[in-house]
Amino acid sequence: DGGITQSPKYLFRKEGQNVTLSCEQNLNHDAMYWYRQDPGQGLRLIYYSQIVNDFQKGDIAEGYSVSREKKESFPLTVTSAQKNPTAFYLCASTSDRGHGQPQHFGDGTRLSIL
Amino acid sequence: DQQVKQNSPSLSVQEGRISILNCDYTNSMFDYFLWYKKYPAEGPTFLISISSIKDKNEDGRFTVFLNKSAKHLSLHIVPSQPGDSAVYFCAASAYSGGSNYKLTFGKGTLLTVNP
Repeated sequence: DGGITQSPKYLFRKEGQNVTLSCEQNLNHDAMYWYRQDPGQGLRLIYYSQIVNDFQKGDIAEGYSVSREKKESFPLTVTSAQKNPTAFYLCASTSDRGHGQPQHFGDGTRLSIL
Repeated sequence: DQQVKQNSPSLSVQEGRISILNCDYTNSMFDYFLWYKKYPAEGPTFLISISSIKDKNEDGRFTVFLNKSAKHLSLHIVPSQPGDSAVYFCAASAYSGGSNYKLTFGKGTLLTVNP
């Protein structure tokens, strides 16, 4: 079945540590996105990529980094510069670079601080 | 500044009745609107969308209405079922430069359908 796989489902970070969240899709979608969800909040865009080897900052990119070396993969690194990383992270993808097409989401990674 | 607002954090309805979820927006450049449903610890799933050139779109029990002059859209679920209990997010799409589009989400409304 085609879909988006995020791993791990739960992740714990120590102070000063960088951690990387994985997102893989086999939908042959061009565009991929990373969102952060906090309790009682909507989804806020961290980074997005419309094509391989290109990505743009979203609304809350500080403290995060991404890469897009392959069409099917869009890993997110939460760096030590992100002072409040505890949240639910969602990866999404869509065809047609996002215009008018619904985004398909993975099941998320919950990141917590030790 | 919140460009997409869902002013009701929660809504409770009886099974079989109509559920109406509301969403307001401020950015007149939004040209597609989407509704997503989300269960706890899962990713959102797409429900229904509407282009800004339409005022209504229907898919089974779900209908979305768009009032551009009021910058308001609503999702109607008829009849409501207990399995519809979830958080519903309104999202709006706008051009963001180059060939890029991105979604802006509201904070969500928790719908509870009571048997």
